[in-house]
Amino acid sequence: DIVMSQSPSSLAVSAGEKVTMSCKSSQSLLNSRTRKNYLAWYQQKPGQSPKLLIYWASTRESGVPDRFTGSGSGTDFTLTISSVQAEDLAVYYCKQSYNLTWTFGGGTKLEIK
Amino acid sequence: QVQLQQSGPELVKPGASVKISCKASGYAFSSSWMNWVKQRPGQGLEWIGRIYPGDGDTNYNGKFKGKATLTADKSSSTAYMQLSSLTSVDSAVYFCARSGGDWGQGTTLTVSS
Repeated sequence: DIVMSQSPSSLAVSAGEKVTMSCKSSQSLLNSRTRKNYLAWYQQKPGQSPKLLIYWASTRESGVPDRFTGSGSGTDFTLTISSVQAEDLAVYYCKQSYNLTWTFGGGTKLEIK
Repeated sequence: QVQLQQSGPELVKPGASVKISCKASGYAFSSSWMNWVKQRPGQGLEWIGRIYPGDGDTNYNGKFKGKATLTADKSSSTAYMQLSSLTSVDSAVYFCARSGGDWGQGTTLTVSS
């Protein structure tokens, strides 16, 4: 089974600051045939369903603000928020879909100072 | 637009079974995998399994084999998840989620005598 690990588990920043969070997988998520990384990022605000932000590691979902950027390949991935807004208060999850299953990381909780 | 409308909250007794529904609209129901995800209070996301409504093919997280049974009714564009032999650890919010980024609003299951 593919294990997903996220760090940090939580962080607190002021509005306007840049944030980076990490996601690591126990095996490569890069499909050699499609050349795509099967890694997605989700945002879950309190009391809401998760919302897809990024798929294929770096492709922004339609309507997602461009302050959200995904990067990385293979086993190491990063989600960057260039200038955090108060509305970005949420838990962020990475998810692999490389094989027939999904596995989520434990999440990074973003708090706004 | 794509909508996934889940059934309402459930309160069931230990040992009983429950069937949660997810009615889909706005896309070709038969041609897209439907996933189910569990979230216990204050915890992360856990993938249960998925079903392809077109032919009923399923894949399960090994942890949920024997606990969850996924079905789909193409005539009503509705996916179902039955959970059996319920205990307190099954108390959670359950989401349906289309492979493609859309999620239902979640169904809260409470197992209590």
